[in-house]
Amino acid sequence: AQSVTQPDIHITVSEGASLELRCNYSYGATPYLFWYVQSPGQGLQLLLKYFSGDTLVQGIKGFEAEFKRSQSSFNLRKPSVHWSDAAEYFCAVDPLSTDSWGKFQFGAGTQVVVTP
Amino acid sequence: DTGVSQDPRHKITKRGQNVTFRCDPISEHNRLYWYRQTLGQGPEFLTYFQNEAQLEKSRLLSDRFSAERPKGSFSTLEIQRTEQGDSAMYLCASSPTGAENYGYTFGSGTRLTVV
Repeated sequence: AQSVTQPDIHITVSEGASLELRCNYSYGATPYLFWYVQSPGQGLQLLLKYFSGDTLVQGIKGFEAEFKRSQSSFNLRKPSVHWSDAAEYFCAVDPLSTDSWGKFQFGAGTQVVVTP
Repeated sequence: DTGVSQDPRHKITKRGQNVTFRCDPISEHNRLYWYRQTLGQGPEFLTYFQNEAQLEKSRLLSDRFSAERPKGSFSTLEIQRTEQGDSAMYLCASSPTGAENYGYTFGSGTRLTVV
């Protein structure tokens, strides 16, 4: 079945440490891939996206993500987290299906807690 | 460009009442989407519009839910005879169809609590 999986429900990281959030997808063809961040009580903000080309993409707020076709993964990274990075992070996929018309499928999210 | 606006931000209603939410997308975006998000979950697709045409509805949307996008501008989502299970965050997103800027821009959401 087609799916988006974020294996880590919750991650705790110290301020200044590096962060990596995992995302795996299961689709027949390489979809369009996105990472969004959501602060409590807010909507989702786009961090970065991958359509094709260079497999390392840069986003806002110092985030980057690497697409690995062989692993069907699109992991999000940040070299040094700030307390303001505490939020929930969602991986999203546009399957590019002819009958889905830009309908995204979201992972369940990873909650990031930043400790002093 | 003020982004995607949703109104109200919060709504508390009694079970059985009707509620209506409004979404104003980015003006040049011709696609508009409604998603529902419950606690600890990612957003789930409800329905979407291409201009004024509603092109798809999720099986999650019972007959109590209806959405409109008159004239291809703002959209409304109405829930009739609300149930406690309707309590959730309702998110609206808009998107252009062009490849360069493709992707959702979300509003801040409407938090519905049914008591």
